[in-house]
Amino acid sequence: QVQLVESGGDLVKPGGSLRLSCTASGFTFSDYYMSWIRQTPGKGLEWLSHISDGGSAIYYADSVKGRFTISRDNAKNSLYLQMNSLRVEDTAVFYCAKHIIGETAFDIWGQGTMVTVSP
Amino acid sequence: DTVVTQTPLSLSVTPGQSASISCKSTRSLLHSSGKTLLYWYLQKPGQPPQLLIYGVSNRFSGVPDRFSGSGSGTDFTLKISRVETDDVGIYYCMQGIQLPWTFGQGTRVEIK
Repeated sequence: QVQLVESGGDLVKPGGSLRLSCTASGFTFSDYYMSWIRQTPGKGLEWLSHISDGGSAIYYADSVKGRFTISRDNAKNSLYLQMNSLRVEDTAVFYCAKHIIGETAFDIWGQGTMVTVSP
Repeated sequence: DTVVTQTPLSLSVTPGQSASISCKSTRSLLHSSGKTLLYWYLQKPGQPPQLLIYGVSNRFSGVPDRFSGSGSGTDFTLKISRVETDDVGIYYCMQGIQLPWTFGQGTRVEIK
């Protein structure tokens, strides 16, 4: 079935780095835009970044611009989020999500991976 | 940024009754394409959000017709008719017209 599975979440110290992965199955990954979204108890759901189907168009929220890098490998049906200079306030559950073609809506979400940034 | 504000923040509903959630945006969500980029999601306990409604009023695949969306411009409503126990969770609206795409604070729905 159509599925997204995130991995890579961990406990890391402030200033550290982490790379999240999202593996897709059940659909033609290379046809779809993809996004990363995070969720915290305090700030709720926050869209972070999205990447076009071919990877040529990329956008970031200001809160992560310059620190996070989104990428994809269509041959491996995989989406990535490289996170550098992590801050305590980056602590969250991180979701990858698939876009509906022609919409900015997310129709499929992964189960999420927890990132904790703590001294 | 476009701010999306939901009301109420929590709702307690008797099974079989109806519930409505309002979502207001600080800018029009009508795109030049003619689409209105407003979406509704439901996050059930322990699960990621799931898409309920796209384009204001289009139910996503598998979503019961008890869920309906309406509105235009900056004001939108999600209505849940004949609420069932399975409808508990947090409902979010989201705007997709301006980056960064933003979500409302969420409306927690519980069953009486």
